[in-house]
Amino acid sequence: EAGVVQSPRYKIIEKKQPVAFWCNPISGHNTLYWYLQNLGQGPELLIRYENEEAVDDSQLPKDRFSAERLKGVDSTLKIQPAELGDSAVYLCASTPLRASYEQYFGPGTRLTVT
Amino acid sequence: DQQVKQNSPSLSVQEGRISILNCDYTNSMFDYFLWYKKYPAEGPTFLISISSIKDKNEDGRFTVFLNKSAKHLSLHIVPSQPGDSAVYFCAASAPSYQLTFGKGTKLSVIP
Repeated sequence: EAGVVQSPRYKIIEKKQPVAFWCNPISGHNTLYWYLQNLGQGPELLIRYENEEAVDDSQLPKDRFSAERLKGVDSTLKIQPAELGDSAVYLCASTPLRASYEQYFGPGTRLTVT
Repeated sequence: DQQVKQNSPSLSVQEGRISILNCDYTNSMFDYFLWYKKYPAEGPTFLISISSIKDKNEDGRFTVFLNKSAKHLSLHIVPSQPGDSAVYFCAASAPSYQLTFGKGTKLSVIP
């Protein structure tokens, strides 16, 4: 069974530029999460999707961050414009059921903003 | 305010000995706890979990203990192996199934 796929794995951009991250969850997983992980910290939830609906986006900085999951499968997280403080690893995770504690993580995208 | 705390950033253990990783939490609503393991350049992978109605869960070399009165849980790895060297994250969930993670403990198992 293929795991959660994320691309790109690494991205370097200048500040004020836009950037987008893509996630393909495990087949059949209806719940999808985007996390932010700063250096030396644990993952912090940005947004959670149930199918195509964003059911928890309270931690997403909506002035510059946006996300979508149009067909309830793949998801894209966008930052526009990027700031130096956005340098971090962006993780995507999925679970098969809404009521499931165990989350399966992708390898993450490491973003560096210069 | 950190609701899940892992106060030891790092831990070194000799191969074959026991590794004990600790985690404290403050939110009484947490009812499920998990440990994740993370290698460099990879995402976290689920290791073991425990429900708040239990005080111990064992899976091979890994055992998690939960002390609800102290709001403390620990992960025991016996015997420790070099391949266990990784960052270990403690995570807790309230009934919403949203996970709150600690900062992680880097375990180094010395051959």
